[in-house]
Amino acid sequence: DQQVKQNSPSLSVQEGRISILNCDYTNSMFDYFLWYKKYPAEGPTFLISISSIKDKNEDGRFTVFLNKSAKHLSLHIVPSQPGDSAVYFCAASEGSGAGSYQLTFGKGTKLSVIP
Amino acid sequence: NAGVTQTPKFRILKIGQSMTLQCTQDMNHNYMYWYRQDPGMGLKLIYYSVGAGITDKGEVPNGYNVSRSTTEDFPLRLELAAPSQTSVYFCASSTGLGYEQYFGPGTRLTVT
Repeated sequence: DQQVKQNSPSLSVQEGRISILNCDYTNSMFDYFLWYKKYPAEGPTFLISISSIKDKNEDGRFTVFLNKSAKHLSLHIVPSQPGDSAVYFCAASEGSGAGSYQLTFGKGTKLSVIP
Repeated sequence: NAGVTQTPKFRILKIGQSMTLQCTQDMNHNYMYWYRQDPGMGLKLIYYSVGAGITDKGEVPNGYNVSRSTTEDFPLRLELAAPSQTSVYFCASSTGLGYEQYFGPGTRLTVT
């Protein structure tokens, strides 16, 4: 039972255009969401997060949108750059209680930004 | 700050052998984690620790053991390696529960 789903295994975008990566979740107890970026042969690195009390969080070229009613979040990268080519993981946690230690990860979306 | 370091980077084990994957962090984080990532899959939590002397099971603990004698170190022990343990193993640490976790570079393990 996959609680965090990234339904697009891959995405190709032209340099300078917008990249939109999507993530759906099923556990209504999740209230904190994160995006990680991973290059080959490296560990994931934290990119941006959002709490369920917000519907948008922005950091430079990266914006995460959260739609709680649809249990959906998306990561927008504008403008996309070749260095953004990586695998992007969506992750979620319960903000408090016994489950709060654990990040549940999606399977990842491989983004390729074409020069 | 080196962050989270893991050794070795690569290892090939024969079925039934044992080994310890080392993880060290220099950020004084109380929380540490071990994940495995199988091809085409997300990361799955094996074990975690909320402080020295305190560990607990994650989603996929079978076949592994951990200990946490210091804040800095969180080794993962594989006993009686099996082909199903072929994976990439990541160690991570964080300041708080469920929040941004800082990952090491990973150990690629093959069991044949």
